[in-house]
Amino acid sequence: QKEVEQDPGPLSVPEGAIVSLNCTYSNSAFQYFMWYRQYSRKGPELLMYTYSSGNKEDGRFTAQVDKSSKYISLFIRDSQPSDSATYLCAMSPNSGGSNYKLTFGKGTLLTVNP
Amino acid sequence: NAGVTQTPKFRILKIGQSMTLQCTQDMNHNYMYWYRQDPGMGLKLIYYSVGAGITDKGEVPNGYNVSRSTTEDFPLRLELAAPSQTSVYFCASSYATDPNQRLFFGEGSRLTVL
Repeated sequence: QKEVEQDPGPLSVPEGAIVSLNCTYSNSAFQYFMWYRQYSRKGPELLMYTYSSGNKEDGRFTAQVDKSSKYISLFIRDSQPSDSATYLCAMSPNSGGSNYKLTFGKGTLLTVNP
Repeated sequence: NAGVTQTPKFRILKIGQSMTLQCTQDMNHNYMYWYRQDPGMGLKLIYYSVGAGITDKGEVPNGYNVSRSTTEDFPLRLELAAPSQTSVYFCASSYATDPNQRLFFGEGSRLTVL
């Protein structure tokens, strides 16, 4: 079993839809969970960061972590064409100073159609 | 701010040739990284550095070398290029003490080995 599993998609939704992106993981040591957004032919950029279980909201984006199920989600409300990108989950067992231990998912390609 | 700058953006190499991918950052970050991204495969860590003069192997170091003589620069050397090294290479940097573990990525260098 791979450490981090992420459905690569592609996922295509109409503008205004609620989008749900997910990752599962097998390493129970992971404590820190991130979502990166990568536009076509660009480098990834950090979108959301959460620690341990729970929810975190930032505008139209909500990150959710369920450590008991080893499952994380990113929800996008009122999706916009500008949200079209690849979304990569990433996770780490340690806080800052150990970014070399980040494990990335393969990324999910999302297209939001006007 | 320029952030993380990578050169070249595109390069075609013949099998057996060598080249260096350049990376420089102007944010005074301690940590720097090199990742490769293959289609549908996510980001794989090649090498990382926690400061000038200190480097270490990541998940996929074979066929590559790095050096870190200054805080700003972290070049990646490919010796004896092989078709398996065809990929998009991303340089990234981060603060050692950033609790959000935010990686700042460059725009990528697309390498094709024929």
